Amino acid sequence: DTEVTQTPKHLVMGMTNKKSLKCEQHMGHRAMYWYKQKAKKPPELMFVYSYEKLSINESVPSRFSPECPNSSLLNLHLHALQPEDSALYLCASSTAETSYNEQFFGPGTRLTVL
Amino acid sequence: DQQVKQNSPSLSVQEGRISILNCDYTNSMFDYFLWYKKYPAEGPTFLISISSIKDKNEDGRFTVFLNKSAKHLSLHIVPSQPGDSAVYFCAASQAGTALIFGKGTTLSVSS
Repeated sequence: DTEVTQTPKHLVMGMTNKKSLKCEQHMGHRAMYWYKQKAKKPPELMFVYSYEKLSINESVPSRFSPECPNSSLLNLHLHALQPEDSALYLCASSTAETSYNEQFFGPGTRLTVL
Repeated sequence: DQQVKQNSPSLSVQEGRISILNCDYTNSMFDYFLWYKKYPAEGPTFLISISSIKDKNEDGRFTVFLNKSAKHLSLHIVPSQPGDSAVYFCAASQAGTALIFGKGTTLSVSS
């Protein structure tokens, strides 16, 4: 299994809603990542988990809350988002927290905040 | 300030010809470079990488060239196929830190 899966594929939410994005991999990877990608822009790193511990938080607003319940799962909890948070949210994993091991990306969740 | 630049937003090539995608970087401390391919509605897929100690890496139809003095790398696809049509992202990192992506180049290969 060389796949990173993400659910849901699409999500529409209001600014007062609470929702969660889920990411799963069964490749035994110990590093997992959340990226945000706006249209015609490169992916921007949000968070890195290494061995289930948060190791990088790229100054992301607190309305985004990551969680890594175990080595295969990564969640992104969303609360009180703004319309400008609408984007494609990509999850990735790699064998370790180093770019020397290429990252495998999931298909992304297309988020729209109304 | 963009550390990784892909100055050509798009490239059109005929099937069978060579596609050359270019990438420039400003941080001389970058020591690892990667190319990702992205189809619509899918996440980026790793294509090929190169360490700064090398100047060329080849994998089938894909070759990446690195010119450290010019801070430039390029991805060559030979021969190009219609299935290669996608957005190609160049990415770089320094000492195993987070990847910095370029804005991408959309490659269109016509048959």
